[in-house]
Amino acid sequence: DAKTTQPPSMDCAEGRAANLPCNHSTISGNEYVYWYRQIHSQGPQYIIHGLKNNETNEMASLIITEDRKSSTLILPHATLRDTAVYYCIVRVGDYGQNFVFGPGTRLSVLP
Amino acid sequence: GAVVSQHPSWVICKSGTSVKIECRSLDFQATTMFWYRQFPKQSLMLMATSNEGSKATYEQGVEKDKFLINHASLTLSTLTVTSAHPEDSSFYICSARDPGRGSEKLFFGSGTQLSVL
Repeated sequence: DAKTTQPPSMDCAEGRAANLPCNHSTISGNEYVYWYRQIHSQGPQYIIHGLKNNETNEMASLIITEDRKSSTLILPHATLRDTAVYYCIVRVGDYGQNFVFGPGTRLSVLP
Repeated sequence: GAVVSQHPSWVICKSGTSVKIECRSLDFQATTMFWYRQFPKQSLMLMATSNEGSKATYEQGVEKDKFLINHASLTLSTLTVTSAHPEDSSFYICSARDPGRGSEKLFFGSGTQLSVL
């Protein structure tokens, strides 16, 4: 079973920051937080992941609370192409464990 | 990022026929690949874990004789849906890890939409 809770849907205006929350209150000390997104009829795309420190890459920023029970994915300047389902996943960052996908958040970026 | 190629992107077949879907890691060697299935408006569900040179591990409720997985090389895994029926119509997605980029990331193919008539 997925170990995360996300809102089923969100809207964001084009050009504004999109902040997608994720609750993972039962996360273990060795579990990472991953974010993927899936644009309609495509395979999921890796966005970012982190353990406890905030992370930033060319796509997004990941903010993890100090107690690690929740996190926020930030798309700084959302475009129409960012419309997708965003999945927050927690898992141990080793070679064996698979990724368990929950229902995710359907983000709609509006013009 | 690492590239995982999946083919075909869509296929239509008659009920009772078999369909093969290929998943290739283009710029890395993948000892493990994963196969997922996704029904409309639902999330991805893991079907099986494909291990190079050994038998695949199937998730509970997935028929291993119906969904044949072969991982004969470090860059290719195939999923064959045998005697397909309309209820097998779904979006099938493969994924793989690139050990060279850190085992913690999973890269996905573009998916195969299977429609069984």
